[in-house]
Order: sequence, then C-alpha cells, then structure tokens
Amino acid sequence: SAVISQKPSRDICQRGTSLTIQCQVDSQVTMMFWYRQQPGQSLTLIATANQGSEATYESGFVIDKFPISRPNLTFSTLTVSNMSPEDSSIYLCSVGGQSNYGYTFGSGTRLTVV
Amino acid sequence: LAKTTQPISMDSYEGQEVNITCSHNNIATNDYITWYQQFPSQGPRFIIQGYKTKVTNEVASLFIPADRKSSTLSLPRVSLSDTAVYYCLVGVKDSSYKLIFGSGTRLLVRP
Repeated sequence: SAVISQKPSRDICQRGTSLTIQCQVDSQVTMMFWYRQQPGQSLTLIATANQGSEATYESGFVIDKFPISRPNLTFSTLTVSNMSPEDSSIYLCSVGGQSNYGYTFGSGTRLTVV
Repeated sequence: LAKTTQPISMDSYEGQEVNITCSHNNIATNDYITWYQQFPSQGPRFIIQGYKTKVTNEVASLFIPADRKSSTLSLPRVSLSDTAVYYCLVGVKDSSYKLIFGSGTRLLVRP
C-alpha cells in the first residue's frame, strides 16, 4: 500500500490566519481525500481531490474555507482559511480504496487555533 | 439519513476474544466494508476488508451477514497493545454516494 508523508504534524495558529497542510504520496494516485477529526470524534470527509479537476466538497464544507490544490498525482494541499478556535482538529489525508488494503491515511496534522 | 453506528466503548482482558459490531443500513451495493485501528496522535491503520460472508487475516476476522447491513470485527486474543479506537468505514448510498466512518469503538484491554 501507499506511504503518505503529511506536514506539519502539528501547529498552533492565531485566529484569523490560514494554515496549509501538505500530503506527499510515494506513488501516483487518482483520488486523494481530506478528513477532519474533531477531538474525541470520528473522521468526517471534507473533500475528494482529483488531479486536474476541482475538488468535490461534502455537505458543510466549502471551497472558500478549505481550498484544496492537487497539482499532480502524488501531492495535495488543504488550506484551513481564516481560522477560528472551532477549526481546532486533526486533519488527515488519505489515498487508496481500490486495493485489498483499503484506504491509507497520513499521520495527521493536529491544529490548535488560539 | 445514512448512519453507521458502533458501540461507544468495550472493555476486555488479555487473551480474550473481542467482537465489535458496526451497523450500516444504507451500505452501497458494490462497496467493501473496511475496519481501521487508531492510536492516539496517529492516523487510522487498516485492519481488514471484506464484501460478504467471512474474511480472515493474520490479525482479525470479519463477519458480514447476507444483507450486509452490519459487520463484526473479531479480534481473536487481544493484548494490551490492542487498546485503541476501532472504526468501520463503508460507502453508503443515500441521496448521493459518500464514504462514512462509524462512530468508533474505544477498546480497553486490561491485564
């Protein structure tokens, strides 16, 4: 299965600022997924990012707040814009789904907004 | 409204078998059921995946009834290191298709 490098692993940010999270995959993948995991909660899908097209956002998530880039088949970024304390969560990227090993997840970015 | 539900928590002792069930009544016809393990400060880690009946690998078994509206993860002989949160993941078909994680089951294995 793919190996994902996700950066940064954690950050503490001031409200009103933006943070860009990067995911690098060791192989080419068609779809990449971005999730949010609020403290003590399950994972919620934010959006699906295909290379060469606009990301598809789930209900409750909008491009202005969570812009996504997918410049090639091994890389994607998620930006959390104009942050507020409610954005404090773990953000994870994921790839896969077509193999016998399900989806592979990055180690996550723990974001704290103060 | 598609829901994927699991027990909030379970307690067990070392060496026991643990069975965790996930209900997914709106599972999409062609989708697999996948289970993940998550430790604090880590991303979810793949455990097992299946479509129907029973699947077994070196760490777990997965039981899926014919209607596929639920699945049961079976950990044969748990150890202290199996203390973690366990999630099921399925594709569901409601007004549209989407991947949904279960609510997660926090397993505590005691000595």
